[in-house]
Amino acid sequence: AQTVTQSQPEMSVQEAETVTLSCTYDTSESDYYLFWYKQPPSRQMILVIRQEAYKQQNATENRFSVNFQKAAKSFSLKISDSQLGDAAMYFCAYRSAPHNDMRFGAGTRLTVKP
Amino acid sequence: EPEVTQTPSHQVTQMGQEVILRCVPISNHLYFYWYRQILGQKVEFLVSFYNNEISEKSEIFDDQFSVERPDGSNFTLKIRSTKLEDSAMYFCASSERGAGGRDTQYFGPGTRLTVL
Repeated sequence: AQTVTQSQPEMSVQEAETVTLSCTYDTSESDYYLFWYKQPPSRQMILVIRQEAYKQQNATENRFSVNFQKAAKSFSLKISDSQLGDAAMYFCAYRSAPHNDMRFGAGTRLTVKP
Repeated sequence: EPEVTQTPSHQVTQMGQEVILRCVPISNHLYFYWYRQILGQKVEFLVSFYNNEISEKSEIFDDQFSVERPDGSNFTLKIRSTKLEDSAMYFCASSERGAGGRDTQYFGPGTRLTVL
C-alpha cells in the first residue's frame, strides 16, 4: 500500500525567509501524482502545487516550488519569501494514476514569525 | 472563483442516529469524493462517485455509509447509525475528471461531526 510520510510535525520560519517542508512516499507504481495542500485555521484545504511523476521538471507556483526526486521517492515543498498568510497545516498527498483515492501524510504545521 | 461548499459546518448527533452531510460540488465537475479526518489523524479517503455510481471506496466505507446525488447540484453522505468513532471532520471534494488530466481534487471547508 502506498504511504506518505511527513517527518516534521511542526516547522517555523521568519517572515521573508525560505522554508522547506519534507515529504517521502512509498510506492511500487511508476505513474502517479503528488500534491501539496494547505489547510489554514479556517479548515478549507487549498491546493498549493501538483507534480506529475512522469515530468522531470519540478513544478513551481509563484513562491512555491517542489524538489521532486523520483528515485528517492521524495517530494519537498519550498516556500520562498514566507508571508504571514502562509501559516497553516501543509499536507503532502499521493494519488496513483489509475485511481481516485488520495493518500495523505500526517501534515506539517508551519508557523510564520513576524 | 467557484468552490465546493458543505453544510452544515458542525453537526452534533446522538449515537445511533442517522446523519446526512451535504455538499455542493463545483458545477462543471463530474467526480465527487468524501474524505474524513479524525482529530489528530491523517485525512482518509472514503469514497469516489461518478455517473451516479460509486467508482472506488475504502475499507472504512462500510454498509453504514451511503452516498447519493439526489439532484443536479447536491452530493450527500449518509451515515445510518452513527458511532462514537464516526466523530471527525468530513471533507467533500470534486474534480472535473477522474484519473488523468484535469483531475485535481478541490476540497470543501468540511463538516465537523460530533457523535455523543
